[in-house]
Amino acid sequence: EVQLKESGPGLVQPSQTLSLTCTVSGFSLTDYSVHWVRQPPGKGLEWMGVMWSGGSTAYNSALKSRLSISRDTSKSQVFLKMNSLQTEDTAIYYCTRGYYGYTYWFAYWGQGTLVTVSS
Amino acid sequence: DIQMTQSPASLSASLEEIVTITCQASQNIGNWLAWYQQKPGKSPQLLIYGTTSLADGVPSRFSGSRSGTQYSLKISRLQVEDIGIYYCQQASSTPYTFGAGTKLELK
Repeated sequence: EVQLKESGPGLVQPSQTLSLTCTVSGFSLTDYSVHWVRQPPGKGLEWMGVMWSGGSTAYNSALKSRLSISRDTSKSQVFLKMNSLQTEDTAIYYCTRGYYGYTYWFAYWGQGTLVTVSS
Repeated sequence: DIQMTQSPASLSASLEEIVTITCQASQNIGNWLAWYQQKPGKSPQLLIYGTTSLADGVPSRFSGSRSGTQYSLKISRLQVEDIGIYYCQQASSTPYTFGAGTKLELK
């Protein structure tokens, strides 16, 4: 069974760095890409970036200067780091995987983790 | 970036009614479009991909279509379990972008 689960701090202070982990099971990170999508409370979805199965990354240009995605294939984990957090970065952060061989249709989602940026 | 303009922002419909939601892409995205349903407190669920293909387990009352750069999601006979927020998403190029969402409620 394909599963993804996000973990990380629920509260981050402004200007600090956010670190999130997506732990996956039921598939290999070398076979499937994992994306990060976020959703401010009561608002829409924003694609943040992707760790491609081959190990390269792509980022939303709006976040690129602050965002880094990496992975540890031996632990089946994908990491998100974003610096210089502001209140507008308060959101539910999801990791998600594609549908069969279609990496860009998000069929499998984690439960999401709420990150609040506040002092 | 490709902009996805979704309409309406909200929609109230009766059970068994036909419901249509549309997304307008700011440029040609071919058939690189998906639709998602999100229920309160839940993660989005993939409904349709590649403009017209139903994801596994999605009821056949859902369908997708395209006319040029305008895309539509149709629910042929609205059921209680269809209530939620619907989003379109383009996958023609990164950054992948979503529509702002359509909140579907029961009348």
